[in-house]
Amino acid sequence: ETGVTQTPRHLVMGMTNKKSLKCEQHLGHNAMYWYKQSAKKPLELMFVYSLEERVENNSVPSRFSPECPNSSHLFLHLHTLQPEDSALYLCASSQEDSLNYGYTFGSGTRLTVV
Amino acid sequence: AQTVTQSQPEMSVQEAETVTLSCTYDTSENNYYLFWYKQPPSRQMILVIRQEAYKQQNATENRFSVNFQKAAKSFSLKISDSQLGDTAMYFCASNYNQGGKLIFGQGTELSVKP
Repeated sequence: ETGVTQTPRHLVMGMTNKKSLKCEQHLGHNAMYWYKQSAKKPLELMFVYSLEERVENNSVPSRFSPECPNSSHLFLHLHTLQPEDSALYLCASSQEDSLNYGYTFGSGTRLTVV
Repeated sequence: AQTVTQSQPEMSVQEAETVTLSCTYDTSENNYYLFWYKQPPSRQMILVIRQEAYKQQNATENRFSVNFQKAAKSFSLKISDSQLGDTAMYFCASNYNQGGKLIFGQGTELSVKP
């Protein structure tokens, strides 16, 4: 493990289901991120949390709802998803005042919407 | 908008040979960092190498080195003595100014052939 843990690794859900993705970081970082990675597309930044405040929301549909209860945990709540939402969802963390360290990523959750 | 561009969707190289992956970026910032990340089939995004924009000297990490051309806004990755374990998607990324938010390129899928 790299210090950022994502669960579950795989998730299959119907379009009417409600599920949540979880991310936990053990690095003492103060910023956390959700990215969507679809086949043959660049990584899409979805949400940014800095010191537990949402600072960015890149026009993500409301069927995705993030939650950051503390600096170590980040959730992505999912409801009434569409098949095109099937993708790899990556969580990352960083230390905002240290530009040079980049991100530490989790292993992602492979989501399939049926 | 700041952008990072990788123009090679796929590349292949013979084991033990050298390969160069291209990346260009666009920014008006003076202080930024550039990164190469590797994503093997395990999906874990791993930091390969980083470069500080104000440093002239190209970064090197074992078999990985960069050719940083600041005026041309180019940041290529050279992998020497390619190994089968280098097979992965490679993403170029940059962060700009405060906050450390990373902008990613589209990725290059590298296959190392025995």
